[in-house]
Amino acid sequence: GQQVMQIPQYQHVQEGEDFTTYCNSSTTLSNIQWYKQRPGGHPVFLIQLVKSGEVKKQKRLTFQFGEAKKNSSLHITATQTTDVGTYFCAGPPVEYGNKLVFGAGTILRVKS
Amino acid sequence: DTAVSQTPKYLVTQMGNDKSIKCEQNLGHDTMYWYKQDSKKFLKIMFSYNNKELIINETVPNRFSPKSPDKAHLNLHINSLELGDSAVYFCASSQGFGPRVYYYEQYFGPGTRLTVT
Repeated sequence: GQQVMQIPQYQHVQEGEDFTTYCNSSTTLSNIQWYKQRPGGHPVFLIQLVKSGEVKKQKRLTFQFGEAKKNSSLHITATQTTDVGTYFCAGPPVEYGNKLVFGAGTILRVKS
Repeated sequence: DTAVSQTPKYLVTQMGNDKSIKCEQNLGHDTMYWYKQDSKKFLKIMFSYNNKELIINETVPNRFSPKSPDKAHLNLHINSLELGDSAVYFCASSQGFGPRVYYYEQYFGPGTRLTVT
């Protein structure tokens, strides 16, 4: 079946350091969405990328969608303690785009 | 104003019991979902409804039965609860329907933490 992998599973950084999480799908995705879940909270939508090679920025966050639409990344510059949480990528496979398949998530912890 | 609400927030029950979780959205969305998040944080879709019609029914045991009385509500009833059902259950909703529905962001409820003892 279609899989969406995320690496790393877990990252612990010093406040001010950069952080990147990578998302890789076994099949082509129609689009990719990123969500953030704070500890004890629920997933909250961050952004969507649709076009091949697309790059979007939200303040310190930079999102990329690969040329083949099979991978994506989220980069956070100069992490802050408010960035703590689990970051999920999710996308509908082109072949059967009837559901969002979520990656396993990357847990980010920030030491102040 | 809460966009997607779920009740209860916590549910502790014994094996073999039957329980229900309720979800309501006031966003006017056409599509609603149930997700299960296990202890490793993995989010997996269980069901999707569009305007009261079942769209997605993943390989979920038929002890789980969703019901959508109207497009603003999607409830989940679980029969004969098992230890492995312990998880956080999230309701979500989004605009749109059909193949384009996944171009819209999903709004998640606060979750229901189910513990089966």
